[in-house]
Amino acid sequence: DGGITQSPKYLFRKEGQNVTLSCEQNLNHDAMYWYRQDPGQGLRLIYYSQIVNDFQKGDIAEGYSVSREKKESFPLTVTSAQKNPTAFYLCASSIGLTRRAKNIQYFGAGTRLSVL
Amino acid sequence: GENVEQHPSTLSVQEGDSAVIKCTYSDSASNYFPWYKQELGKRPQLIIDIRSNVGEKKDQRIAVTLNKTAKHFSLHITETQPEDSAVYFCAASKSEGAQKLVFGQGTRLTINP
Repeated sequence: DGGITQSPKYLFRKEGQNVTLSCEQNLNHDAMYWYRQDPGQGLRLIYYSQIVNDFQKGDIAEGYSVSREKKESFPLTVTSAQKNPTAFYLCASSIGLTRRAKNIQYFGAGTRLSVL
Repeated sequence: GENVEQHPSTLSVQEGDSAVIKCTYSDSASNYFPWYKQELGKRPQLIIDIRSNVGEKKDQRIAVTLNKTAKHFSLHITETQPEDSAVYFCAASKSEGAQKLVFGQGTRLTINP
């Protein structure tokens, strides 16, 4: 364990509130990802970033926003536009496709978000 | 886009028996297929992966087979043990490590002592 740290472990959101989930990695990985996990639906990609100051939408980006100002950090904001935010959120990182190594994705321990 | 279907959603086997989980994918351009194991309350961890230029890969009690023509791949666990109990996810992507992994729905495997 270690290498990718997500915080907080549990988070509660009130109606109309934006909340930000933290993801930090000390693996010197170029690529970072955010997934949403719902029961019976596997993991779905929200956003991903291949390099600092660049990111792309995944399959379910609506209602979410991200930033990648530092290599180590990829925070996810769940906005009030996301009407069903209750889920388990997983952050992952990988070395990146431009590096000469197997580009395996390693996951953090997750943040469980609930709506009050 | 890519779609990955995984079956069964739950699987219960006796300790020592074998378990097989199957996945199908839709995009013939996909060429990298990892399997992740997620124990209760823990993060997903890669247990084995296979590229499209290989038909089978084995690591101790775990093996993965790939049929590119039929667009399906399977995870085989032999001599199952209680610590194999977990949720298993298959995934597919168009490049190794995948900037865009598409996951199956998951299989909850229970090993009965």
